[in-house]
Amino acid sequence: NAGVMQNPRHLVRRRGQEARLRCSPMKGHSHVYWYRQLPEEGLKFMVYLQKENIIDESGMPKERFSAEFPKEGPSILRIQQVVRGDSAAYFCASSVVRANTGELFFGEGSRLTVL
Amino acid sequence: SQQGEEDPQALSIQEGENATMNCSYKTSINNLQWYRQNSGRGLVHLILIRSNEREKHSGRLRVTLDTSKKSSSLLITASRAADTASYFCGQETSGSRLTFGEGTQLTVNP
Repeated sequence: NAGVMQNPRHLVRRRGQEARLRCSPMKGHSHVYWYRQLPEEGLKFMVYLQKENIIDESGMPKERFSAEFPKEGPSILRIQQVVRGDSAAYFCASSVVRANTGELFFGEGSRLTVL
Repeated sequence: SQQGEEDPQALSIQEGENATMNCSYKTSINNLQWYRQNSGRGLVHLILIRSNEREKHSGRLRVTLDTSKKSSSLLITASRAADTASYFCGQETSGSRLTFGEGTQLTVNP
């Protein structure tokens, strides 16, 4: 059973470009979470999705950031018009049940560098 | 703001010694989870302790939970160099997400 798969592992973008990060949850998992981690810091919650629904996006910046988890295919975190401050590692996690009742399984992260 | 805090921020010990990390949180929880992160990698789940549990063991790991003090501790016994990593506690917030503190960076010297 493959783990949570994230791609790309590394992404370099110039200011103003778009970044798309993809996350395929573990088989059978319908709950997906996105976190952002700056160097030497903890993980900051961004968004929680179930298939075709955004459940909690309270950690998402109001502008330029969006997330989806379609019926078919991976979850996508999209950052439009990237700025240098968006440089970070973005982690996706999935679970069988809601995070407050079971463990999360994390991917290896996508590291975004904005030049 | 983050739900909780881990302390110490950094801990350096010798192989064979025990390592204790603490986590405090602010609101009531259903469970608290400890995770480990090796440099440049994703988080790996270690232990989940429920609010009605006081102590839990898994191999060389022991987790305690004191809901009256809103705190938890993670004890790693007989540490090894391979235990070098960052350790995070995750707490439920608003019933839908897990929030993490800044973590404890553990260095185990051979």
